[in-house]
Amino acid sequence: QKEVEQNSGPLSVPEGAIASLNCTYSDRGSQSFFWYRQYSGKSPELIMFIYSNGDKEDGRFTAQLNKASQYVSLLIRDSQPSDSATYLCAVNYGGSQGNLIFGKGTKLSVKP
Amino acid sequence: DAMVIQNPRYQVTQFGKPVTLSCSQTLNHNVMYWYQQKSSQAPKLLFHYYDKDFNNEADTPDNFQSRRPNTSFCFLDIRSPGLGDAAMYLCATSRDHFRGFTYEQYFGPGTRLTVT
Repeated sequence: QKEVEQNSGPLSVPEGAIASLNCTYSDRGSQSFFWYRQYSGKSPELIMFIYSNGDKEDGRFTAQLNKASQYVSLLIRDSQPSDSATYLCAVNYGGSQGNLIFGKGTKLSVKP
Repeated sequence: DAMVIQNPRYQVTQFGKPVTLSCSQTLNHNVMYWYQQKSSQAPKLLFHYYDKDFNNEADTPDNFQSRRPNTSFCFLDIRSPGLGDAAMYLCATSRDHFRGFTYEQYFGPGTRLTVT
């Protein structure tokens, strides 16, 4: 059973703090990892993608991947109230047609 | 701007009355996906097209069908909607996967389906 697990939260952080969102996956063959942000009632919006072990930074966002531990995380620096949303982790099925499995998401709340 | 468009944004249908949702894209991506997302749940893949090659997920009910008449357009048909089919329906596109790597998927705004 291929699974992507996320803590549902809510994760509450003060404005300006670092928010750390975590995701584990079950398929060792997975090679593509994505973070999406989803505001309530809206569709998912791509934030980051990462393919290689290590860190990838884009502005205030850093994605971290550890394939040995089957773990991917998203750090949001200088969190803003506008970052309050649900963050979905998505992982491809190793060796398949390129489909993604999504986690249920972590709800982040940034308090002013 | 290149984008994924879904129509309508909100759809109300009666129990058992067929409904069609549409998706169009200007990204020229050859892969198109349909997802169903219910409140506080992960998006669930219903099916996808790799060009004109249709791929159904094993647990997608027969009540759901899809058509892709050309690269730009894709339709989701729900033949006899039940109350349990009320959800957000998301269309997404991506470039072709390559050697086990999946490229990022871009989502449309979604269609919120209500069944009365």
